[in-house]
Amino acid sequence: DAMVIQNPRYQVTQFGKPVTLSCSQTLNHNVMYWYQQKSSQAPKLLFHYYDKDFNNEADTPDNFQSRRPNTSFCFLDIRSPGLGDAAMYLCATSRDFQETQYFGPGTRLLVL
Amino acid sequence: SQKIEQNSEALNIQEGKTATLTCNYTNYSPAYLQWYRQDPGRGPVFLLLIRENEKEKRKERLKVTFDTTLKQSLFHITASQPADSATYLCALDNTDKLIFGTGTRLQVFP
Repeated sequence: DAMVIQNPRYQVTQFGKPVTLSCSQTLNHNVMYWYQQKSSQAPKLLFHYYDKDFNNEADTPDNFQSRRPNTSFCFLDIRSPGLGDAAMYLCATSRDFQETQYFGPGTRLLVL
Repeated sequence: SQKIEQNSEALNIQEGKTATLTCNYTNYSPAYLQWYRQDPGRGPVFLLLIRENEKEKRKERLKVTFDTTLKQSLFHITASQPADSATYLCALDNTDKLIFGTGTRLQVFP
């Protein structure tokens, strides 16, 4: 089945230790998004790619970076995780803007 | 400022009844609105999309309305079942992205 896959499902890292979360899709969608979601809060968009074009949200901290080496894969790099970065990180794809988004299962990040 | 509001308190209803969830927004003019379901520890799953020129959309037991004058969408689940228990998020389009509400938790008890 075509889908959005996120690995790992759970990630534990230490304060200040760089961590990378990965997302892959078999939908061949043009757009890939990364969201941060904290408990009982709305998913908050961090950035998105339309193909290779990167768009960073204005309030996304510099600590968060992303890479999209090809259509299928997108990575979220947190350079120096702080305690406040503990959250669920959701990857989503859509064929184009203003279309339905398909979400992965998420990666729950714990920062010790 | 722009705002999307969904009832933060959980909605508890009895099996078989109709659940109605509300999404209100201010200072947006969305061309469309989407509803997603999110189970604990999982990513949101798309349910329905309604465009600004559509008053109502149905899919099986689900119905969505969109009133651009009131700036409100209502999401109905008829003949609700315990399996419908989840958090339901509304999302508005904002040019090249979606803006999500915080969601309303629905609990359907037997």
